[in-house]
Amino acid sequence: SAVISQKPSRDICQRGTSLTIQCQVDSQVTMMFWYRQQPGQSLTLIATANQGSEATYESGFVIDKFPISRPNLTFSTLTVSNMSPEDSSIYLCSVDEQETQYFGPGTRLLVL
Amino acid sequence: AQRVTQPEKLLSVFKGAPVELKCNYSYSGSPELFWYVQYSRQRLQLLLRHISRESIKGFTADLNKGETSFHLKKPFAQEEDSAMYYCALRGGGFKTIFGAGTRLFVKA
Repeated sequence: SAVISQKPSRDICQRGTSLTIQCQVDSQVTMMFWYRQQPGQSLTLIATANQGSEATYESGFVIDKFPISRPNLTFSTLTVSNMSPEDSSIYLCSVDEQETQYFGPGTRLLVL
Repeated sequence: AQRVTQPEKLLSVFKGAPVELKCNYSYSGSPELFWYVQYSRQRLQLLLRHISRESIKGFTADLNKGETSFHLKKPFAQEEDSAMYYCALRGGGFKTIFGAGTRLFVKA
């Protein structure tokens, strides 16, 4: 199964600033996914990132707020832009391998 | 539209008691359904999938297309089963949608 790492593991940020989260996979994967898990809530899919094309965003999420890069088959970044306290959440990177989702450890973000 | 419903946010049972975590889904196509588990301080991981029809850690789940359900069951709960359980549906576009989750607490 794919092994996924994320950086940073956690951060505390001031409102109005931006944070870029990195996701590294130990194997080449076609599709990577970014999820958000707000306190006490389930996972919500933000976007699907394919290498070589623009990310596909879910309803309620836009590229200006959550720009995503996918420069190669093992790496992706998610930026949370112009942060507000409502963006405080755990952000999870995930890949689909053999029809199963594998998850990174998550990035815990607190916006003050 | 794809939807996964887990009606119970919290389920508390005694050790050795049977447990059933409910999951209902809505999907127009042929669904692939999964149960994922998150133990304390660990990352989310796959518990089982309906296609494999196997028992993992004593848990089983049967897909009932008539009732659009995929309930997770275990005949005798153990303390180490305490965790957050998510029912998930993999549908169009290879996207996986998760239910709200049920926290299982197994009391000694």
